[in-house]
Amino acid sequence: GQQVMQIPQYQHVQEGEDFTTYCNSSTTLSNIQWYKQRPGGHPVFLIQLVKSGEVKKQKRLTFQFGEAKKNSSLHITATQTTDVGTYFCADSGGSNYKLTFGKGTLLTVNP
Amino acid sequence: GAGVSQSPRYKVTKRGQDVTLRCDPISSHATLYWYQQALGQGPEFLTYFNYEAQPDKSGLPSDRFSAERPEGSISTLTIQRTEQRDSAMYRCASSQSSSGELFFGEGSRLTVL
Repeated sequence: GQQVMQIPQYQHVQEGEDFTTYCNSSTTLSNIQWYKQRPGGHPVFLIQLVKSGEVKKQKRLTFQFGEAKKNSSLHITATQTTDVGTYFCADSGGSNYKLTFGKGTLLTVNP
Repeated sequence: GAGVSQSPRYKVTKRGQDVTLRCDPISSHATLYWYQQALGQGPEFLTYFNYEAQPDKSGLPSDRFSAERPEGSISTLTIQRTEQRDSAMYRCASSQSSSGELFFGEGSRLTVL
């Protein structure tokens, strides 16, 4: 079945540093959704990417979908302690309902 | 309701017992999903409903797992004859359409002793 690989598994940064997490697949991704899960919390939707090469920004967050639709990335500029959590990418695999989640990247930020 | 509500939040049971978890989705949402999330992992699809129809239950680990949504609103996930490997967080989510963003509930953490 569809597999979505996320790297790195963990990332620890100093507050103010940038952070990037990558989502990769050996097969073509359909629609990528990104979620953030705070420690002890539940996944919260951030963005959906649909088109090849798409770039979307939300304040300090920049989301990209690769030209070949085999990878996606989330970049956070100048991290803050409020950015702490696990970031998941998820692909619909063409089903339009069944999301396959990556294992996530746990971000910790040292104040 | 305002958000997705799940109950119980925590359930501890003994191996072999049956458990039922409940999900009350956002009232305007037609689509409801059940996911299982192990510690340190991403959510894994179990099944979903479009109103009361259950088009896909391919993610249910075994026939001990079943879900229903008889009136197209509240849903239950039942695990019969629980085993220790069933211990996990069970997350319900709903969405307005089957391809839209998912709104997750707080989850039900199941521990099987």
